[in-house]
Amino acid sequence: DIQMTQSPSSLSASVGDRVTITCQASQDIRDYLNWYQHKPGKAPKLLIYDASNLETGVPSRFSGSGSGTDFTFTISSLQPEDIATYYCLQYANYPYTFGQGTKLEIK
Amino acid sequence: EVQLVESGGGLVKPGGSLRLSCAASGFTFSSYSMNWVRQAPGKGLEWVSFIDNTGYSIHYADSVRGRFTISRHNTKNLLYLQMNSLRVEDTAVYYCARALDSYWGQGTLVTVSS
Repeated sequence: DIQMTQSPSSLSASVGDRVTITCQASQDIRDYLNWYQHKPGKAPKLLIYDASNLETGVPSRFSGSGSGTDFTFTISSLQPEDIATYYCLQYANYPYTFGQGTKLEIK
Repeated sequence: EVQLVESGGGLVKPGGSLRLSCAASGFTFSSYSMNWVRQAPGKGLEWVSFIDNTGYSIHYADSVRGRFTISRHNTKNLLYLQMNSLRVEDTAVYYCARALDSYWGQGTLVTVSS
């Protein structure tokens, strides 16, 4: 099984800050990686697909990059509504696997 | 409007069974693969199972293989998850998700407890 190591597990930042989350795959997953935002009591929301493509309707302050085993998710200017837990997901091989999640808080 | 609505969750004893359903509308259900994803209390997201649009290609997480069965009824626009031999650690909110894209249900809570 492919392991996804996501870091950090939690992050506190100020409004307007640039925020970066990383995911490392235990083997090459090419660009078969999505990023999701999950707020309590809500369905997860797809933000980035295929590692770097912005889902329709998602603000441009969200971006993703990487290929192979190392991936980065960035919020260019943190907004209060971005408070959530963020997950990466690899879908290169079954079983699909999520990263452990990054809980983002506002300072 | 795309909608996915899960049902069938509830309280069940360890060793018991439950069948979850996911009613799909607003898109051509038979054209999309579907997934089940769960979140245990205080834990992260865990992918559970995949079924392709025809129902012939199916995959499971190691944690549920042999106990859970995913299926679909394309003419009724329904996705199912039959859960047998339930364990306390299966307690979670279960989401159905279309192809792991933008469309997910709101989830149904399964509680396994004596």
